[in-house]
Amino acid sequence: QKEVEQNSGPLSVPEGAIASLNCTYSDRGSQSFFWYRQYSGKSPELIMSIYSNGDKEDGRFTAQLNKASQYVSLLIRDSQPSDSATYLCAVTIDVDMRFGAGTRLTVKP
Amino acid sequence: SAVISQKPSRDICQRGTSLTIQCQVDSQVTMMFWYRQQPGQSLTLIATANQGSEATYESGFVIDKFPISRPNLTFSTLTVSNMSPEDSSIYLCSVNHVGGTGELFFGEGSRLTVL
Repeated sequence: QKEVEQNSGPLSVPEGAIASLNCTYSDRGSQSFFWYRQYSGKSPELIMSIYSNGDKEDGRFTAQLNKASQYVSLLIRDSQPSDSATYLCAVTIDVDMRFGAGTRLTVKP
Repeated sequence: SAVISQKPSRDICQRGTSLTIQCQVDSQVTMMFWYRQQPGQSLTLIATANQGSEATYESGFVIDKFPISRPNLTFSTLTVSNMSPEDSSIYLCSVNHVGGTGELFFGEGSRLTVL
């Protein structure tokens, strides 16, 4: 079982819609959870971090964490074509950060 | 966040040669890591670069193939030794900050192509 699992997509949504990205992790000792955005040919860019159960909102982004279900999600409201990228879920176990395979999101105008 | 400079940004190398990638950070950081991202894949942790001591390698990665140095808090190198086409990848330096909450920040990456 992979440590961090994501649906690889591609996920396609129309402009203005809500994009929902999901991630599960296997280690119950995981402490911190992150979402990174990676544009093609670029390095990952941190967009959200979440450390406790519940929702965390930052602009159009909402991260959700459910430690009992070992589940993290990212919602992108009012999706824009500029949101088209690969979204990487990351989980820290001790000091090491492990990444999911990423979900490719395409927002169509 | 810190500015993380990697060089070279890209290179084309011949089989059997070695290449050293440098990572320089403009502020003190606690941890420095090296990741690999193969084409179309996610990030795989190679090793943690420890200041003044041997790096801590992940399963599947060995010091002879990927020697790492970290002589001070803001600089590290990764060498890819005796390269083969399977080493063609993007190599990423990442850091977390003093007083941070575990987030990693990445350099721009070094794209290696081995012929």
